[in-house]
Amino acid sequence: KNQVEQSPQSLIILEGKNCTLQCNYTVSPFSNLRWYKQDTGRGPVSLTIMTFSENTKSNGRYTATLDADTKQSSLHITASQLSDSASYICVVISSSGNTPLVFGKGTRLSVIA
Amino acid sequence: DTAVSQTPKYLVTQMGNDKSIKCEQNLGHDTMYWYKQDSKKFLKIMFSYNNKELIINETVPNRFSPKSPDKAHLNLHINSLELGDSAVYFCASSLLAGASQETQYFGPGTRLLVL
Repeated sequence: KNQVEQSPQSLIILEGKNCTLQCNYTVSPFSNLRWYKQDTGRGPVSLTIMTFSENTKSNGRYTATLDADTKQSSLHITASQLSDSASYICVVISSSGNTPLVFGKGTRLSVIA
Repeated sequence: DTAVSQTPKYLVTQMGNDKSIKCEQNLGHDTMYWYKQDSKKFLKIMFSYNNKELIINETVPNRFSPKSPDKAHLNLHINSLELGDSAVYFCASSLLAGASQETQYFGPGTRLLVL
């Protein structure tokens, strides 16, 4: 069964600190993996898209890693800011026909001063 | 100048009613999507249209009927609304078809509450 599991479910960190969010998946065959940021009451915004051959990809203070062998990805946030408070959603897309995008339930990050 | 817009932003209605949610994108994208996000914040794809043609139709009740008058619009019509339909519905678009590596751009969401 295609699944995406994210951990932790929620996280609270102090402003300026770093954090790492985890994503494990069982989606197969794999096409690409995406991280989205969703602010409260808003639609998701794409942070990174990674294909099978990519191990790491950065977008500003966000760095995503992908290990296609172990089917794990992480999103590392450096020097967190209050505006980083949001839900971070991991999405895995299969290369199999019309298989839908499989969404994780997200990690709720709260950055406090 | 919003890239992906949805109307209405909020929709409160009674069980059994029929309602529509509209979505428009001005990005020139070929593909549009509808997602449902439930109370546990779990996003799930419902439909995907490429250039007015249905390409993904997940297991959703046939009370939900998407309509794409042109590739810039994908409306969602819901018949005989049920309590379980209460959720936030997001429209999205991407340049190319299906689940490619294209970035999806999401609308602000429509918060539907069925009483």
